[in-house]
Amino acid sequence: QSVLTQSPSVSGAPGQRVTISCTGSSSNIGAGYDVHWYQQLPRTAPKLLINANINRPSGVPDRFSGSKSGTSASLAITGLQAEDEADYYCQSYDSSLSGYVFGTGTKVTVL
Amino acid sequence: QVQLVESGGGVVQPGRSLRLSCAASGFTFSSYAIHWVRQAPGKGLEWVAIISHDGSNKYYADSVKGRFTISRDNSKNTLYLQMNSLRAEDTAVYYCAKDRDTAMDVWGQGTTVTVSS
Repeated sequence: QSVLTQSPSVSGAPGQRVTISCTGSSSNIGAGYDVHWYQQLPRTAPKLLINANINRPSGVPDRFSGSKSGTSASLAITGLQAEDEADYYCQSYDSSLSGYVFGTGTKVTVL
Repeated sequence: QVQLVESGGGVVQPGRSLRLSCAASGFTFSSYAIHWVRQAPGKGLEWVAIISHDGSNKYYADSVKGRFTISRDNSKNTLYLQMNSLRAEDTAVYYCAKDRDTAMDVWGQGTTVTVSS
């Protein structure tokens, strides 16, 4: 059972803005550990989308943005496109588990 | 280009062993920690293990501790995962991923392990 909780699904029409939340606790996000976000397109390996809470790796469109506050983090997608339909996962480190943890995952559907 | 390629997956009976490999290219392998991450069919991502750049430090998820061993051969630019006492719940796609300041910035394509009698 994951220690980082995400809503199972979000949807939006093309061009709209959607947000995905990632809720943790005082032993992971709340302890100051960075949050990273990954996009997993169908039948492919995950791809790093946002690292260290807010940073976009080279090649990631600026439609994707990350934020972090307290024990939670969020990923926002603005100007939603059909190609954004995928599963999204947050990830951090947990000091109680002495290991890395992923969120439960959120499926984004473009209507 | 920076690349990770997993191999060694297959179908194995419960209780048996399997060794996965992850071949790295395009970057200085010996400078980076590397993770194993798995994904059961239709499920989310689960972190499995990490090994430091020089192999001196290794950490495991509780679900595999005592059964799996992560190792590396920097002379061969290769990462390994020795999996013993396999269980049905170990059935998954196994990915290796390069660490960058606790993020996983490069992933392999994955190799599938099926534990079934």
